Amino acid sequence: DGGITQSPKYLFRKEGQNVTLSCEQNLNHDAMYWYRQDPGQGLRLIYYSQIVNDFQKGDIAEGYSVSREKKESFPLTVTSAQKNPTAFYLCASRDQTGFPYEQYFGPGTRLTVT
Amino acid sequence: AQSVTQLGSHVSVSEGALVLLRCNYSSSVPPYLFWYVQYPNQGLQLLLKYTSAATLVKGINGFEAEFKKSETSFHLTKPSAHMSDAAEYFCAVSSDTGRRALTFGSGTRLQVQP
Repeated sequence: DGGITQSPKYLFRKEGQNVTLSCEQNLNHDAMYWYRQDPGQGLRLIYYSQIVNDFQKGDIAEGYSVSREKKESFPLTVTSAQKNPTAFYLCASRDQTGFPYEQYFGPGTRLTVT
Repeated sequence: AQSVTQLGSHVSVSEGALVLLRCNYSSSVPPYLFWYVQYPNQGLQLLLKYTSAATLVKGINGFEAEFKKSETSFHLTKPSAHMSDAAEYFCAVSSDTGRRALTFGSGTRLQVQP
């Protein structure tokens, strides 16, 4: 079955450590996105990539970094510079030839930093 | 810039009652509109999308939404709530920037009482 895989589902880290969240898709989609979800705030865009080897900052990119070396993979690193990293992180992808703007989501990773 | 307002962060209905979740949007261009559902600790699943082919859009699980341009609304309804409908619902509007991303509302948590 095609889909988006995010691992791990739960992640715990100490403050000051960098952590990388995995996102893999086998949908053959060109575009991929990272969102952060906090209670009562909906989803906020962190980074997005519309093609391999290219990515752009979203609305809340500070303290995060990404790479897009392969079409299937779009890992997100939460750095120690991110002031409040505890959140639910969602990865999504979009088919450039499909219905405009429709995004497919992974199951999410819940990150807790103490 | 586009935005989405979901009125009511929490809505509670009895099983069998009408479900009405409100969404108002602003967009400088004709929008693409979506409703997504999220069950606890899971990713987002597409319920329905507005395609401009019809103002009344039918989605999965018996949900539908009506696009009203004059009211800039895209409210989600279901005639008879089921216990399994308890979840968080997000309305989203297409970005009118080059991101080809979505702007999400803050979400409405639906509770279904037996």
